[in-house]
Amino acid sequence: AQKVTQAQTEISVVEKEDVTLDCVYETRDTTYYLFWYKQPPSGELVFLIRRNSFDEQNEISGRYSWNFQKSTSSFNFTITASQVVDSAVYFCALSTNAGKSTFGDGTTLTVKP
Amino acid sequence: DSGVTQTPKHLITATGQRVTLRCSPRSGDLSVYWYQQSLDQGLQFLIQYYNGEERAKGNILERFSAQQFPDLHSELNLSSLELGDSALYFCASSVDRNGYTFGSGTRLTVV
Repeated sequence: AQKVTQAQTEISVVEKEDVTLDCVYETRDTTYYLFWYKQPPSGELVFLIRRNSFDEQNEISGRYSWNFQKSTSSFNFTITASQVVDSAVYFCALSTNAGKSTFGDGTTLTVKP
Repeated sequence: DSGVTQTPKHLITATGQRVTLRCSPRSGDLSVYWYQQSLDQGLQFLIQYYNGEERAKGNILERFSAQQFPDLHSELNLSSLELGDSALYFCASSVDRNGYTFGSGTRLTVV
C-alpha cells in the first residue's frame, strides 16, 4: 500500500515570506513518481512537477523549488518570496510504475498582503 | 482555456440514475486520466487510458466505468448513483507524463 502525508493542513504567511510545504510518502515500490499540484480558489487543478524515484536532483522553477530526499521519503515544496496569487490548496501525490496515484490531503496556503 | 474540455460543467441528478461525463483531451495527447474530488475522500485517481486502452486503475467503483474512443475523447459512466458520489470529477490529459493538463471539471450533485 502507498500513502502520502501532508501534515500541514493550513499555512498562513505574509507576502514575500518564504514557505515550505511538506510531503512525506510511503511505498514499497522502488520505481515511483512524485507530483505536486496546485488548486487555486477558482477550483481548477494545475500540474506543477513530476519527479521519478531515481532522480534526487533538486529542481528550481522561478520562485518554486522542490527538495526530494529518498532517505527521509520526503518531497518538499518551497515557494520563495510568496505572493497573494500563490494562495491555493497544494497537493502532493505518489504514483507507482503501474500508474496508480495516491494523493495527500492537501495543504491550504494563504498568503496575506 | 487549458485545452482539455469537460462536459457538462454541472450535473444534478437523482439517486439511482446513470450519467455520462465527457472529456476531450488536448490535441496530440494520447493519455486521459480521471479523478474524483469529494469532501469525504479527497482527491482520488480513478482510471487512466492511453490511446484507447486502459492503462491503470485506481479507486474506481464497480458502478463506474470508462472508455476512450478512437478520436481519443473519453467518457466516464457513473451508474446507480448514490449521494456519496456527489463530487467534482476532473479529467487530465498528457502526451509524455512530464506534463498534465486538467479540464475545469464536472460538478456532480446527486440528490
